[in-house]
Amino acid sequence: QKEVEQNSGPLSVPEGAIASLNCTYSDRGSQSFFWYRQYSGKSPELIMFIYSNGDKEDGRFTAQLNKASQYVSLLIRDSQPSDSATYLCAVNIGPGNTGKLIFGQGTTLQVKP
Amino acid sequence: DAGITQSPRHKVTETGTPVTLRCHQTENHRYMYWYRQDPGHGLRLIHYSYGVKDTDKGEVSDGYSVSRSKTEDFLLTLESATSSQTSVYFCAISTGERQPQHFGDGTRLSIL
Repeated sequence: QKEVEQNSGPLSVPEGAIASLNCTYSDRGSQSFFWYRQYSGKSPELIMFIYSNGDKEDGRFTAQLNKASQYVSLLIRDSQPSDSATYLCAVNIGPGNTGKLIFGQGTTLQVKP
Repeated sequence: DAGITQSPRHKVTETGTPVTLRCHQTENHRYMYWYRQDPGHGLRLIHYSYGVKDTDKGEVSDGYSVSRSKTEDFLLTLESATSSQTSVYFCAISTGERQPQHFGDGTRLSIL
């Protein structure tokens, strides 16, 4: 059973701090990794995607991928109360998979003013 | 969002009735997906399509069927709805296997 694991939280950080969200996955053949943000009662919204080992930065967000250790993380710098949401990690299931994704159950982030 | 419309947005129906949910996209994306989201289970793939008339099963496909007769429309049918199919259903689209998926606003389905 291919799995994606996330700490459900809640992760609580003060406004302006760095929030660090982590995700591990079981399928060594996975090639694409995604972070989504989901506000309560809303649909998932793509935040970041990463395909290669290392860091990828976009504004206040940095995705980090380590395929050898099978983990992917999301850093949110200068956290704002509006960042309070559930963050979903998604991983594709190996090559030639026609885009099938496995989602973690999400980490709830609370940014306190 | 991203040119994706799901209909209906909310539906309440009775056990044993057939239900069809529609996903319509204006992006001309090749890949379309149906997920369900439940507390404690997260998002799970039901069925997906990689082209017109090309569909395949996801991890929770039992009790569901799909059809895609046009690029822009992907239909999900619950052949005989059961209470266990009460959920929020999301449609997603993407341009390719490794590309990000973008989600519609969801359909909240309650089966009594």
